[in-house]
Amino acid sequence: EAQVTQNPRYLITVTGKKLTVTCSQNMNHEYMSWYRQDPGLGLRQIYYSMNVEVTDKGDVPEGYKVSRKEKRNFPLILESPSPNQTSLYFCASITKGASNQPQHFGDGTRLSIL
Amino acid sequence: SQQGEEDPQALSIQEGENATMNCSYKTSINNLQWYRQNSGRGLVHLILIRSNEREKHSGRLRVTLDTSKKSSSLLITASRAADTASYFCGEGGATNKLIFGTGTLLAVQP
Repeated sequence: EAQVTQNPRYLITVTGKKLTVTCSQNMNHEYMSWYRQDPGLGLRQIYYSMNVEVTDKGDVPEGYKVSRKEKRNFPLILESPSPNQTSLYFCASITKGASNQPQHFGDGTRLSIL
Repeated sequence: SQQGEEDPQALSIQEGENATMNCSYKTSINNLQWYRQNSGRGLVHLILIRSNEREKHSGRLRVTLDTSKKSSSLLITASRAADTASYFCGEGGATNKLIFGTGTLLAVQP
């Protein structure tokens, strides 16, 4: 089954404690991205990757890092989380250049930073 | 901000009624995608309409697109309680980036 898998689904942690949210897709997609969703603001793109070792900033990249060492994985790293990063996070993937196909989304990761 | 907007922000209707949500966008699009999100869950793709299309149907869903006004509408006919969710439009451009609006919260009362 084609899917995007995020882990963990839920995480409560404290300010400053490094954390990683993993994202894996099994569709051989080149393009992967991370979004955060906040009330009243919709979904905003954090980072994206066009392919292995190719990443770039989205609209709200501050405080986040990503890596793309393998095609299937695109982890989101919060080196020093802060309370304003409490949010619902989604990973998405699509075949690069497939401009008229829907993206595949993970089920989301709810992060609470205390 | 490049973000578009959905209108209304919230909509409450009775089961069996039709629900219409509107989306205004700002960029030049290749397509406009509609997604549904049940409370706190992931995004489920509903329908994609290309920039050269004006109307598209899928089951009880009807989407229209007016590129001259940079707007789209989603109509859900004969609504059911299970349609209760947030609905988002996403602008698909030349890159693979999706620009989402802020969503419409639909409540269908049984």
